[in-house]
Amino acid sequence: AQTVTQSQPEMSVQEAETVTLSCTYDTSENNYYLFWYKQPPSRQMILVIRQEAYKQQNATENRFSVNFQKAAKSFSLKISDSQLGDTAMYFCAFIADNYGQNFVFGPGTRLSVLP
Amino acid sequence: SAVISQKPSRDICQRGTSLTIQCQVDSQVTMMFWYRQQPGQSLTLIATANQGSEATYESGFVIDKFPISRPNLTFSTLTVSNMSPEDSSIYLCSVERVGVTQYFGPGTRLTVL
Repeated sequence: AQTVTQSQPEMSVQEAETVTLSCTYDTSENNYYLFWYKQPPSRQMILVIRQEAYKQQNATENRFSVNFQKAAKSFSLKISDSQLGDTAMYFCAFIADNYGQNFVFGPGTRLSVLP
Repeated sequence: SAVISQKPSRDICQRGTSLTIQCQVDSQVTMMFWYRQQPGQSLTLIATANQGSEATYESGFVIDKFPISRPNLTFSTLTVSNMSPEDSSIYLCSVERVGVTQYFGPGTRLTVL
């Protein structure tokens, strides 16, 4: 069974600074997808970024980028130029590329961006 | 992405009653999912709902407690039956788009007294 671990329950960062959230996962699959979702206090889950395991290039979306280390089974999220609106719970998620597989979510990291 | 709405956005219910949560998507989707998020916790998949077939429930969730309907490709309901305070959670529906990527509704916050 796959598992996703986020070792940082809470983090804080000053506005305009850079922060990195950690995620590790365990799987025997070779083909899979990884995601970061953001859940602000409004509770809407918002897709931040997605990475296909077969792609060596790290995904980027504006201020958000990932450091995907397949051999180490690590998938960290870097937020540059942090903004107050980045304050949220961040969940790392994994899904294997097999029919019938379901998302596995990590426990989440609560990020606070301080003014 | 997808535009997903849920009704109600929140509710406070009495023990022993039932609540039906609706999920509406702006376009046709094959698979819809229902999740539970207990206070301060991550998401747990309740069931997968495909149109035209019975929902597939995850371990620990049963149809009698969480009956699901999927009458068409844009709509689904989840009922939380015979509620107890332990059912107090956020319930989220999601749909699959762009391969396996899931997009979520705004959630329903349920409080059971």
